[in-house]
Amino acid sequence: AQTVTQSQPEMSVQEAETVTLSCTYDTSESNYYLFWYKQPPSRQMILVIRQEAYKQQNATENRFSVNFQKAAKSFSLKISDSQLGDTAMYFCAFMTTGTASKLTFGTGTRLQVTL
Amino acid sequence: GAVVSQHPSRVICKSGTSVKIECRSLDFQATTMFWYRQFPKQSLMLMATSNEGSKATYEQGVEKDKFLINHASLTLSTLTVTSAHPEDSSFYICSAQPGLSYNEQFFGPGTRLTVL
Repeated sequence: AQTVTQSQPEMSVQEAETVTLSCTYDTSESNYYLFWYKQPPSRQMILVIRQEAYKQQNATENRFSVNFQKAAKSFSLKISDSQLGDTAMYFCAFMTTGTASKLTFGTGTRLQVTL
Repeated sequence: GAVVSQHPSRVICKSGTSVKIECRSLDFQATTMFWYRQFPKQSLMLMATSNEGSKATYEQGVEKDKFLINHASLTLSTLTVTSAHPEDSSFYICSAQPGLSYNEQFFGPGTRLTVL
C-alpha cells in the first residue's frame, strides 16, 4: 500500500516571499504520478501541479514548481512570489498507473499567506 | 473543460432518513468516478470507486449497504446514504476520471451533509 506523509501541519509565509511544502511517500511501484492539490476555503479541490515519475525534469506551473527526488521518495512544492489567494490547504497525492488509479492523499498542510 | 458538478451542495436531514448525492461530469464522459469523505480539518478518504455499468468497489471499512453507489451512465454517479445518523455528517466529494489512460481526476465542489 502507498502512504503519503506531509510533516508540516501549518505553514505561514509573507506575501511575495517563497515557501516550500514538504511531502514524502512510500511505494514499491516504479511508475506513478504525484500531485499537489489546493483546497481553499470554498473546499473545491484544485490541481496545482502534477509530476510523472518517469520524467526526471521537475514540473513547473507559473509560480509553482516541484523538487522531485525519486530515490528519496520526496516531492516538495515551492510557491514563489506568494499571494494572498494562495492561502489554502495543500494536499500531496499519489496515484498508481494502470486500472487501479486511486489517489492517496497526505494529511495536508495549511498555508497562510500574510501581508 | 473537465467540469464536475455535485448536487446538492448542502443537505440537512433527520436521523433515519436517506439522502442521495449526485455527481455529474458536465463536458466529458467518466468511465470511473470516485467518492471521498472529508471530516473537518482532515484529508480526503476514498470511500469507493465506481465504474459505469458495474458494481462499485468499496474501501476497507466502508459499509456498502450504508453507502449505496450507482454509476448508471458515463456522466452520472450517485451516492445514497441510507438510514443516515449524526456520525454520517461530513463533507462528501466526488471525482471523475475520463478514462483508464487518463491519469487525472477532476473534482466536484463537494456536498456538506448534516444529519440531525
